[in-house]
Amino acid sequence: SYELTQPPSVSVSPGQTATITCSGDKLGDKYVSWYQQKSGQSPVLVIYQDNKRPSGIPERFSGSNSGNTGTLTISGTQAMDEADYYCLASDSGAVVFGGGTKLTVL
Amino acid sequence: EVQLLESGGGLVQPGGSLRLSCAASGFTFSNSAMTWVRQAPGKGLEWVSAISAGGDRTYYADSVKGRFTISRDNSKSTLYLQMNSLRAGDTAVYFCTKGTSSASIESLAIWGQGTMVAVSS
Repeated sequence: SYELTQPPSVSVSPGQTATITCSGDKLGDKYVSWYQQKSGQSPVLVIYQDNKRPSGIPERFSGSNSGNTGTLTISGTQAMDEADYYCLASDSGAVVFGGGTKLTVL
Repeated sequence: EVQLLESGGGLVQPGGSLRLSCAASGFTFSNSAMTWVRQAPGKGLEWVSAISAGGDRTYYADSVKGRFTISRDNSKSTLYLQMNSLRAGDTAVYFCTKGTSSASIESLAIWGQGTMVAVSS
């Protein structure tokens, strides 16, 4: 079965750039979406189809996908961005989430 | 306002059954593919199942295939998840979701608040 691998945790200082990766076999051939989940809340879509931002998502969120790695980049990270982040992709009809990355802003 | 409201969760014994419902409003339900996602306590998200707008195509994660059935009633704007042969590993919050486009089952733009399912004796 298809698997997506994310680092368990990423730390960043306020105002700096946070980078969260998602790795999978030939992931660049598939669309990747990214979800932000704050404690006790439902997930929120922040990036879809590799690099598109839904309405209402700040411009500091961006995405890319190439080769075996998809990347979520948060520029000028703010304290409010502290959350769990999940990538998602599909392979042959099977849809899979990555294991999630806890982003700490300190 | 687009809304998804799940219901039907609760405590069930191993081997038991439960049916979840998701009432949709604020968009044309019959034009939208829908998806269920779950999250075990303290764990990550797991994609569970999806159904096309017309209900003619269904998709399942290997972990639930043969035990869960997704369906919809477009006249009632309601999505269902029939869960049979429940196991302790099915304990989770179950979210109803809608994609960014009518056919999308993988760009999940709208999420409900979730309903908790606990499988325990």
